[in-house]
Amino acid sequence: KNEVEQSPQNLTAQEGEFITINCSYSVGISALHWLQQHPGGGIVSLFMLSSGKKKHGRLIATINIQEKHSSLHITASHPRDSAVYICAVLGGIGGADGLTFGKGTHLIIQP
Amino acid sequence: DVKVTQSSRYLVKRTGEKVFLECVQDMDHENMFWYRQDPGLGLRLIYFSYDVKMKEKGDIPEGYSVSREKKERFSLILESASTNQTSMYLCASSLWGNRNTIYFGEGSWLTVV
Repeated sequence: KNEVEQSPQNLTAQEGEFITINCSYSVGISALHWLQQHPGGGIVSLFMLSSGKKKHGRLIATINIQEKHSSLHITASHPRDSAVYICAVLGGIGGADGLTFGKGTHLIIQP
Repeated sequence: DVKVTQSSRYLVKRTGEKVFLECVQDMDHENMFWYRQDPGLGLRLIYFSYDVKMKEKGDIPEGYSVSREKKERFSLILESASTNQTSMYLCASSLWGNRNTIYFGEGSWLTVV
């Protein structure tokens, strides 16, 4: 079973700072998701990656398949970015093993 | 847009009650999933279904059952709710053979008193 580790577990930063959240996993995967969960809310899929890099607005996600590592970056962070960010990996051929989730990174951006 | 809808956002139930959590998706997805999320434990798979009337146990099926009578609807059932089932429950769906793309519901917060 894949082990998914996220760091840091908690992060408090000032508005405008560049944020990096890391995710590492133990077994090869078919895809990796970065998810965002606001307090009291559901979960939104931000990115799905199987290689390289994706960008959406101020969010950038990268993955290094060889090193089994992914990062989520937030540029020019804003208080509305405050949320829990969860890394989830999809294992097995064609994702047959289903999703394994990290425990999440609780991000607070202070004005 | 794909939509996964969980009928109840917030519920409070008594110990021993039978609880139904409903999930509906509108994109004709074959795969549907129920997870629960707890502090410090992250998201864990309870049950999943890859077709109508088909179900498979996930990592923590004890105390739960599921029903998939129609393709668009996947129900999670707590036969006799207990306080340790107080949690946030999350439904998800994806296309068969394409679990790379998965869509999540808004979550259902259940408190058992």
